[in-house]
Amino acid sequence: AQTVTQSQPEMSVQEAETVTLSCTYDTSESDYYLFWYKQPPSRQMILVIRQEAYKQQNATENRFSVNFQKAAKSFSLKISDSQLGDAAMYFCAYRRFTRGMRFGAGTRLTVKP
Amino acid sequence: DAGVTQSPTHLIKTRGQQVTLRCSPKSGHDTVSWYQQALGQGPQFIFQYYEEEERQRGNFPDRFSGHQFPNYSSELNVNALLLGDSALYLCASSQNIDRAGNQPQHFGDGTRLSIL
Repeated sequence: AQTVTQSQPEMSVQEAETVTLSCTYDTSESDYYLFWYKQPPSRQMILVIRQEAYKQQNATENRFSVNFQKAAKSFSLKISDSQLGDAAMYFCAYRRFTRGMRFGAGTRLTVKP
Repeated sequence: DAGVTQSPTHLIKTRGQQVTLRCSPKSGHDTVSWYQQALGQGPQFIFQYYEEEERQRGNFPDRFSGHQFPNYSSELNVNALLLGDSALYLCASSQNIDRAGNQPQHFGDGTRLSIL
């Protein structure tokens, strides 16, 4: 079964600095999708960024980018120019085809002013 | 354009009771997935509905059942509630326009279920 591991329960970053959240996963498949979701205290899961496994180019969305290492099964999220509004729980997720997603345990990000 | 809506927001039940949670998908979405998120943990996949049928199921007992209606809305039913069923229940919708799965799932705000 596919597993997703987030080894950092908590991370902290100074406002305007850069932080990287780690994620590793285990799968024997070659085609799949990876996602980072953000969950603020309001509870709604918000999609931050997604990566198709067949694409070698790392995905980028404004201040958010990923470092996707397929052979190492690693999928880290980099947040540049951190803002107070970035404070939230961040979840890494794996999905194959249209099936349900498998999430990691999450990383709580604190942004210090 | 309304997103995914879930009702109720909060619910308190006692052990042994039954509960029904409801979800309306985002406009244009035809696939609904349900997740259970225990406090301090990541969401766990319960099941997914497409074309009014359960298409995939996670590792949850038969006490958890669901339904999808012709308008794509969905219900999650839990029978014989246990204390361990206390959690945030999230509904997510997506489009099944291809098998690739690159259509992201959009989540609702969830229903907080507390079992006494």
